[in-house]
Amino acid sequence: DAKTTQPPSMDCAEGRAANLPCNHSTISGNEYVYWYRQIHSQGPQYIIHGLKNNETNEMASLIITEDRKSSTLILPHATLRDTAVYYCIVRVGTDSWGKLQFGAGTQVVVTP
Amino acid sequence: EAQVTQNPRYLITVTGKKLTVTCSQNMNHEYMSWYRQDPGLGLRQIYYSMNVEVTDKGDVPEGYKVSRKEKRNFPLILESPSPNQTSLYFCASSRVDETQYFGPGTRLLVL
Repeated sequence: DAKTTQPPSMDCAEGRAANLPCNHSTISGNEYVYWYRQIHSQGPQYIIHGLKNNETNEMASLIITEDRKSSTLILPHATLRDTAVYYCIVRVGTDSWGKLQFGAGTQVVVTP
Repeated sequence: EAQVTQNPRYLITVTGKKLTVTCSQNMNHEYMSWYRQDPGLGLRQIYYSMNVEVTDKGDVPEGYKVSRKEKRNFPLILESPSPNQTSLYFCASSRVDETQYFGPGTRLLVL
């Protein structure tokens, strides 16, 4: 069963913020939300993760709703190199922390 | 430079000819894992290892073997490859309960 739901694709203009939504309505209290991206068949690249507070790093910001049923990844100033498939992942429980269940992700295309 | 390396990056082989894809990490990570990626099916975990000599099956282990004799290496072995194992393979590693880092991928074609 899918634990996350993401739109299949979205476009973003270069230099603009890209806001990628993710629904995870069945998330458990001890499960983290992770975001990875994959650029054209390269190895997936970690972006950010969070539990319930908003998080920011040099790549992106993660906004998690108060009920934790959805989140948004924000790329503040999208560049052409941000074109990739973005995966929102809910880590599968504390006993299986190592297994990342990748869904279909969102294909983001950044246009000039 | 901290990295996960895989070899070979590309491989064409024939049905039944044993092959090994190597994975090595230089970050002293305890956890290592293999995934395969197929169109329409996404990334699926094959095997994982929590530490040296500790391995376990993932979601799609059939037709694969692994070993973890050293902390840095986690080879994926296909004893008798079949065409349905044609795929893009990724190795990943991490410290316990931390972010996973992925290798560059190995594209395998079994004829």
